[in-house]
Amino acid sequence: EVQLVESGGGLAQPEGSLRLSCATSGFSFNNYWLKWVRQAPGKGLEWVADINKDGSETYYVDSVKGRFIISKDSSTSSLYLQMNSLRVEDTAVYYCVRDWGWNTFDNWGHGTLVTVSS
Amino acid sequence: QSGLTQPPSASGSPGQSVTISCTGTSSDVGRHTHVSWYQQRPGKAPKLIIYEVNKRPSGVSDRFSGSKSGNTASLTVSGLQIDDEADYYCSSHGGSGVFGGGTKLTVL
Repeated sequence: EVQLVESGGGLAQPEGSLRLSCATSGFSFNNYWLKWVRQAPGKGLEWVADINKDGSETYYVDSVKGRFIISKDSSTSSLYLQMNSLRVEDTAVYYCVRDWGWNTFDNWGHGTLVTVSS
Repeated sequence: QSGLTQPPSASGSPGQSVTISCTGTSSDVGRHTHVSWYQQRPGKAPKLIIYEVNKRPSGVSDRFSGSKSGNTASLTVSGLQIDDEADYYCSSHGGSGVFGGGTKLTVL
C-alpha cells in the first residue's frame, strides 16, 4: 500500500523557518516525481514545488522561489520542504503528493498545517 | 490565478446528473490527453477520480465519467448521492496553472 505521511507543520513567525518532511512507503521511491501542494484555509489547491525522480531537477511556483527548497533522500524514501522567510500568506495545509506522470497525482498524504502568524 | 477555469459551484438533487466544466487553453487541456479530476471531501485530502480525460482508478465508482472537447474538459457525476457532496478540482499537463480553481458540488 502506498503511503505518504507528512510531519513538521506548526506555528511559525513571519520571516521564520520550518522544515516539512514526508515519509513514503509502498512504492519505488526513485521511479516517481514528487510534489508539494498546499491549500490555504477555505481556498483551492496550489502546486508549490516539484522534484524529479533522481532529485537533479526542482521547480517552484513563483511565490516561493528563493525561499523554499524541495529535496529528497532516497536512502530513507523521504521528501522534504525547507521553508524560509515565511510569510502570512504561506499559511496552508501542505500535502506531499506522488505524480504518476504528466501531472496526474495518484497518491496524497493527509497534509500538515503550517500557520504563519505573529 | 489558475490557468484552468471551473465554475465555483454546481448542484443537483439525489439521482440526477451534474456536469462540471474545466476550461483551459490550446497549451494545456486542448493539447494534452492528461487531464485529471480530484474529489476533496471536507477536512480530507484530495483523491484522484479521473485520469487521462476519461479513465477511472480502481475502486472509483462508474458514476464518475470524464470527457473533453477542444479546450474544455468535463466531469459528469451520474446518479447523484449525498456522499458526492465535495469540492472537485481539475488538472492538466502543460500550461501555467496546475489546478483549476475548484467547484463545490452541493447535493440538494
